[in-house]
Amino acid sequence: QVQLVESGGGVAQPGRSLRLSCAASGFTFSSYGMHWVRQAPGKGLEWVAVISYEGAIKFSADSVRGRFTISRDNSKNSLYLEINSLRTEDMAIYYCAKDYSNGYPPSFYFDSWGQGTQVTVSS
Amino acid sequence: QSVLTQAPSVSAAPGQKVTVSCSGSSSNIGDNYVSWYQQLPGTVPKVLIYDNNKRPSGIPDRFSGSKSGTSVTLGITGLQTGDEADYYCGTWDTSLRAFVFGTGTKVTVL
Repeated sequence: QVQLVESGGGVAQPGRSLRLSCAASGFTFSSYGMHWVRQAPGKGLEWVAVISYEGAIKFSADSVRGRFTISRDNSKNSLYLEINSLRTEDMAIYYCAKDYSNGYPPSFYFDSWGQGTQVTVSS
Repeated sequence: QSVLTQAPSVSAAPGQKVTVSCSGSSSNIGDNYVSWYQQLPGTVPKVLIYDNNKRPSGIPDRFSGSKSGTSVTLGITGLQTGDEADYYCGTWDTSLRAFVFGTGTKVTVL
């Protein structure tokens, strides 16, 4: 079955960087678009970014554009999110999610989610 | 603030029907497919509806989705205590070139 395991979260100071990872298994990772979604404490879901199955096409939310970079390594069945210039408003649980459709374009329907990794921003 | 608006909360008695609405615009709901997600307390979100009205395998037919213009509705019939959760709509916004979630609705079973 599909398994998505995030890692890399933790406590970081404002202005610093973090790299989140998501290890995928149970499906042909290289065939599916992948997403990052976050949820601040007590708040709703916020979509962060998507990357196409081969990594060539990326979109991100306006709130993170220019600071966050989504990437993937299909040889390692892994998805990444590079977070730069951390802000207090970036504090959230970060989930990686699998897109339902293989190939392109993505369906933007998230059929599998990881358990999430917590990012805390504190000086 | 999200471009998709949902009522903060709705409630109904066990066995009753509840509807959760999500309002958007021509650049998002009006132009693209919508999905719905259920997030039970302390758990990861789970998809209930995709492509406006389709249910993934394993989702009971008590859950239904519909779309009219720039609004969508999630219906839950035969309400159960286990349905108490936050519910989110979501869709691609063509103008923003980004996916957007609704503000979320908390469903309470009285």
